[in-house]
Amino acid sequence: SSELTQDPAVSVALGQTVRITCQGDSLRSYYASWYQQKPGQAPVLVIYGKNNRPSGIPDRFSGSSSGNTASLTITGAQAEDEADYYCNSRDSSGKHVVFGGGTKLTVL
Amino acid sequence: QVQLVQSGAEVKKPGASVKVSCKASGYTFTSYDINWVRQATGQGLEWMGWMNPNSGNTGYAQKFQGRVTMTRNTSISTAYMELSSLRSEDTAVYYCARGEEGNPNAFDIWGQGTMVTVSS
Repeated sequence: SSELTQDPAVSVALGQTVRITCQGDSLRSYYASWYQQKPGQAPVLVIYGKNNRPSGIPDRFSGSSSGNTASLTITGAQAEDEADYYCNSRDSSGKHVVFGGGTKLTVL
Repeated sequence: QVQLVQSGAEVKKPGASVKVSCKASGYTFTSYDINWVRQATGQGLEWMGWMNPNSGNTGYAQKFQGRVTMTRNTSISTAYMELSSLRSEDTAVYYCARGEEGNPNAFDIWGQGTMVTVSS
């Protein structure tokens, strides 16, 4: 079982805003990172730290955190954003990394 | 450009070992941690452990303690992950991923993945 919990599936209408969440006690102490994975491809880092986007990631992706919950927000979702999204962070011991179970995002 | 290139697909019998390589290019290999992450078909991402290529220090997920070994050859900028006592449940795609400078939990560069199939 994962120490980080994500909703298995979320849907959003094209052009609308969607929030994907990640819950876990360790998120009170550590930032989450977020990854996008499309079928047959390696994951891609989209958000890390407080709210940092790697080069090439559109600014419609943003991150936030409150208490034990980290969130990835896509403002104005596009068809190409349909993918699986994973969060990761440190585990409760702080020594190891753990991933959430992933959220499948459908853009309607 | 910055990239990680992994070795090719492997087919192994139960009880055997597999060693996957991950060659770095476009950056200073010893300056960033290398993590290994696996993904069974249709399943989520599972972190296996990390290695500091400069010191050789490692940290493994408890699940893999005693079965996994992460090493490196700095002269050829290559990291290795060896998993022993393979069983069918180890069938998965194995990825190496670089830890972002200053944010070791953020994996900013990923290899293309190596499919490991365990079958008798």
